[in-house]
Amino acid sequence: AQKITQTQPGMFVQEKEAVTLDCTYDTSDQSYGLFWYKQPSSGEMIFLIYQGSYDEQNATEGRYSLNFQKARKSANLVISASQLGDSAMYFCAMREGDNYGQNFVFGPGTRLSVLP
Amino acid sequence: ETGVTQTPRHLVMGMTNKKSLKCEQHLGHNAMYWYKQSAKKPLELMFVYSLEERVENNSVPSRFSPECPNSSHLFLHLHTLQPEDSALYLCASSQARTGLGNEQFFGPGTRLTVL
Repeated sequence: AQKITQTQPGMFVQEKEAVTLDCTYDTSDQSYGLFWYKQPSSGEMIFLIYQGSYDEQNATEGRYSLNFQKARKSANLVISASQLGDSAMYFCAMREGDNYGQNFVFGPGTRLSVLP
Repeated sequence: ETGVTQTPRHLVMGMTNKKSLKCEQHLGHNAMYWYKQSAKKPLELMFVYSLEERVENNSVPSRFSPECPNSSHLFLHLHTLQPEDSALYLCASSQARTGLGNEQFFGPGTRLTVL
């Protein structure tokens, strides 16, 4: 079974508008971490934001915020005021808490295109 | 050099060749990873080295052989590859066993083409 699901293969957004990228996850652990990465066409994976399963507040980092709904097991990324440079692949990832698990599980990604 | 570096950035090899990919991290981390990224497929974790221990994904073919001589360097030795092994190979590092919130830092990747 998929541990990370990203149901939107591709998304379009107008420049300066906000966009939400969906991510749902599957885990039986109580302790886990959720991450979002951006991958531009150059190939490098860039860390954007982190949410811990015990964090009570939704994470925010500049124009990025994470809409964390624990009961629904969703961790959607919200990008406000989109810029042309935001066009890229976006990956949701999870690290589970067993044995201080080092392994990350990545979702299939969403390709975001920002239109001028 | 800062962050995570990978060499070469591009590699074209024949099926009978032997080559190696190199990764180096300058972040003081103690866990390193190899990922394979093929078109239209999620990132696939291949190998993990964490605190000198190797965690191996059993589904990785033996034509891929990792080597981690120390916590800063990671190699992926390649031999008798197949065309379907053509992909972007990403190296990453993180700080192990210090909590869930330590993200992985990625290198720029090696684009491998097997002819």
